[in-house]
Amino acid sequence: GAVVSQHPSWVICKSGTSVKIECRSLDFQATTMFWYRQFPKQSLMLMATSNEGSKATYEQGVEKDKFLINHASLTLSTLTVTSAHPEDSSFYICSAFTLAGSSYNEQFFGPGTRLTVL
Amino acid sequence: GENVEQHPSTLSVQEGDSAVIKCTYSDSASNYFPWYKQELGKRPQLIIDIRSNVGEKKDQRIAVTLNKTAKHFSLHITETQPEDSAVYFCAANFNKFYFGSGTKLNVKP
Repeated sequence: GAVVSQHPSWVICKSGTSVKIECRSLDFQATTMFWYRQFPKQSLMLMATSNEGSKATYEQGVEKDKFLINHASLTLSTLTVTSAHPEDSSFYICSAFTLAGSSYNEQFFGPGTRLTVL
Repeated sequence: GENVEQHPSTLSVQEGDSAVIKCTYSDSASNYFPWYKQELGKRPQLIIDIRSNVGEKKDQRIAVTLNKTAKHFSLHITETQPEDSAVYFCAANFNKFYFGSGTKLNVKP
């Protein structure tokens, strides 16, 4: 399957600072990238859908000014958690999605980023 | 939006027994239904998927069934092994992916 990387794999920051998480599709061009967050022992919650060259679409209840998403190319999307607070601590996972080839509909997950806000 | 419900939340079986996990969805436009296995701290791994034009799909010990009319789909694992122990998620997709709440499967040796 296709490879998606995510950086950093973990980050610890102070309350009030901003953190940027990168998601890259390494061997294919992703028309769409999704961002999820996952609290311990819970499911993946879709935060936003990111399409290259256009504004991200946020799910209800997700603050777009707090979770800034930029999708500058077909292989890179970034999520910036602005003015992070302890309640933003979570596991953030991106996935890349393409309509091309035999993997139509399939999404490929990054390894996730564990964010801890002190 | 789509609402995916998953049952049970926990499932404990003896090694060699079968395990069944069930999901329902609300949006009739959903046309792709993947199942994922997730180990602690790791990314979800696709284990099997089914598209809306198919009623059943099997891959070795894993099978998925889909009832479009009733809007439910199920994961069947036969001859379970301890390494099958993990959290399993169903999902439904049209333009986005919505996940079920997860099932923690414990296979006792």
